[in-house]
Amino acid sequence: DAGVIQSPRHEVTEMGQEVTLRCKPISGHNSLFWYRQTMMRGLELLIYFNNNVPIDDSGMPEDRFSAKMPNASFSTLKIQPSEPRDSAVYFCASSSPPDRRNEQFFGPGTRLTVL
Amino acid sequence: AQSVTQLDSHVSVSEGTPVLLRCNYSSSYSPSLFWYVQHPNKGLQLLLKYTSAATLVKGINGFEAEFKKSETSFHLTKPSAHMSDAAEYFCVVREGAGNMLTFGGGTRLMVKP
Repeated sequence: DAGVIQSPRHEVTEMGQEVTLRCKPISGHNSLFWYRQTMMRGLELLIYFNNNVPIDDSGMPEDRFSAKMPNASFSTLKIQPSEPRDSAVYFCASSSPPDRRNEQFFGPGTRLTVL
Repeated sequence: AQSVTQLDSHVSVSEGTPVLLRCNYSSSYSPSLFWYVQHPNKGLQLLLKYTSAATLVKGINGFEAEFKKSETSFHLTKPSAHMSDAAEYFCVVREGAGNMLTFGGGTRLMVKP
């Protein structure tokens, strides 16, 4: 298995532009998570999906952020319009059905820089 | 509610000496506990996990951790540090079978030659 796949790996954009981050979870996993990592706040959960349905989006910072999971093998995190304070590494993770033994598998991350 | 405290933000050891990364947690329910490692510019990789079986858990690369309920601790150890162990380590707690993970602030391990 290729693991969790994220694209792009690096994104540099200008303030005000729309940014779309993509994630392909591990096949068979039905939970998908988006995290943001910054020096100031560490790792924060933004949103997670179970069976393609958003379960908890309380971590989404504001309305500029939106996430979708149109099917079991693809999710997007969109920022529109982007701002310099959105610069961070964004991780996607997936896991199999909720069970105390199941860990989350993380993708390599997308490093976003907003100028 | 669950929380995780990693007591040291930075730990520095010499190559070949033991490693101890400390983690304390609080949880209302029977927790699962994990240690993840993040090498520079990489994603997070699972080192080991505790899920209510044996309290001493062995992971990859010679790491192990012991779940001590009375001390609410899950410290990560390794008998002999290697240069390749230099990375950031995260202690993570999950309550019951839920999906929500709570991450500690991370401990950056530096290994001196």
